[in-house]
Amino acid sequence: QVQLQESGPGLVKPSGTLSLTCAVSGDSISSSYWWNWVRQPPGKGLEWIGEMYHSGSTNYNPSLKSRVSISVDKSKNQFSLKVTSVTAADTAVYFCARGDYDTSGHYFLDCWGQGTLVTVSS
Amino acid sequence: DIQLTQSPSFLSASVGDSVTIACRASQGISNYLAWYQQKPGKAPKLLIYAASTLHSGVPSRFSGRGSGTEFTLTISSLQPEDLATYYCQQVNTYSTFGGGTKVEIK
Repeated sequence: QVQLQESGPGLVKPSGTLSLTCAVSGDSISSSYWWNWVRQPPGKGLEWIGEMYHSGSTNYNPSLKSRVSISVDKSKNQFSLKVTSVTAADTAVYFCARGDYDTSGHYFLDCWGQGTLVTVSS
Repeated sequence: DIQLTQSPSFLSASVGDSVTIACRASQGISNYLAWYQQKPGKAPKLLIYAASTLHSGVPSRFSGRGSGTEFTLTISSLQPEDLATYYCQQVNTYSTFGGGTKVEIK
């Protein structure tokens, strides 16, 4: 059974770069899935950040595209998120999730990490 | 960008009640819509995809309907473990989540 686990610093300074990693176990990151990042500010709703395929193809939320990058490390079976020029508005629980398609092309996120809280503060 | 508006934002119901949550898209998305359940302090869990297909292992009291811009999630007989916030997600163009509906048990 696939499991995802986020890791990274819990505190980042304003104007700095937020860096997180999602370790995938129980499946290969080179399988036919998309690997996603989703965040949730404290007490608020979910925001999709972006996704990556193991080939290197990426899609990003247009509102975050200029500051976000997602990359994959096949040797470690993990993928990563970087958010640059962070502000307090980037404080959130960050989730990684696996994206899949059914046979008719409908997409969904069927497996999620537990999430990790990142606070932006000096 | 495609916006999703959920209603109500909060509802309170008794065990055994049938409850319905609505999700409206700002433009047509066919049936490219999923529903998730998020319990307090936990990650979201997939309930339904393709607007009406129940994900493996999800109880049959959950059902989804809709197409185009109007969608609903129904819990036919509310159980205590259904205390959670429910989110719709459009996957027609990139991805967007609705604002969420918090379900309380009376």
